[in-house]
Amino acid sequence: LAKTTQPISMDSYEGQEVNITCSHNNIATNDYITWYQQFPSQGPRFIIQGYKTKVTNEVASLFIPADRKSSTLSLPRVSLSDTAVYYCLTPNGAGNMLTFGGGTRLMVKP
Amino acid sequence: GAVVSQHPSRVICKSGTSVKIECRSLDFQATTMFWYRQFPKQSLMLMATSNEGSKATYEQGVEKDKFLINHASLTLSTLTVTSAHPEDSSFYICSPKTGEKLFFGSGTQLSVL
Repeated sequence: LAKTTQPISMDSYEGQEVNITCSHNNIATNDYITWYQQFPSQGPRFIIQGYKTKVTNEVASLFIPADRKSSTLSLPRVSLSDTAVYYCLTPNGAGNMLTFGGGTRLMVKP
Repeated sequence: GAVVSQHPSRVICKSGTSVKIECRSLDFQATTMFWYRQFPKQSLMLMATSNEGSKATYEQGVEKDKFLINHASLTLSTLTVTSAHPEDSSFYICSPKTGEKLFFGSGTQLSVL
């Protein structure tokens, strides 16, 4: 079972780049890594997904080293509205992304 | 991204009553539906996994007779909390699976008085 580990919380200021790292030491060869954002009283929202190296979309970048035992979500120039909990997920042995870790609670300050 | 509709968004009920939560995937078909529960300040906890047309698989500690899941079609799944009690008060979230991605409903806040 690919368990994920993330920092419990992080603080940042508006305009800064935020990097959140997740470790997934037991990730399987074919598994993707997916990051989600959750605001209070809302369902998680898909941010980005990757398999290796670097993936970039309009809101974030995802860096995955060659050994794939960790990944880093990079949020460029955060704003107050980026205050949320961020989760990284990897599939379990059956290929389903079932287990949420504790997530990282990001607080963006003015 | 995929559109998931979950209703109701909030429900308050008396202890002993049953509550049905509906989850629809509006622009895609979901062969697998996950149901999660989330208590305040905690992470999402998987309750059950259902595949269209078959019985749901429940996680350890989740009572199948209390949390009835119906996944009758590829676009609709329902979770019924039967004989709800105050300890069932929580945020319930559905998640239909398509390909390698999970998408989530907006959640249902259940408050049992």
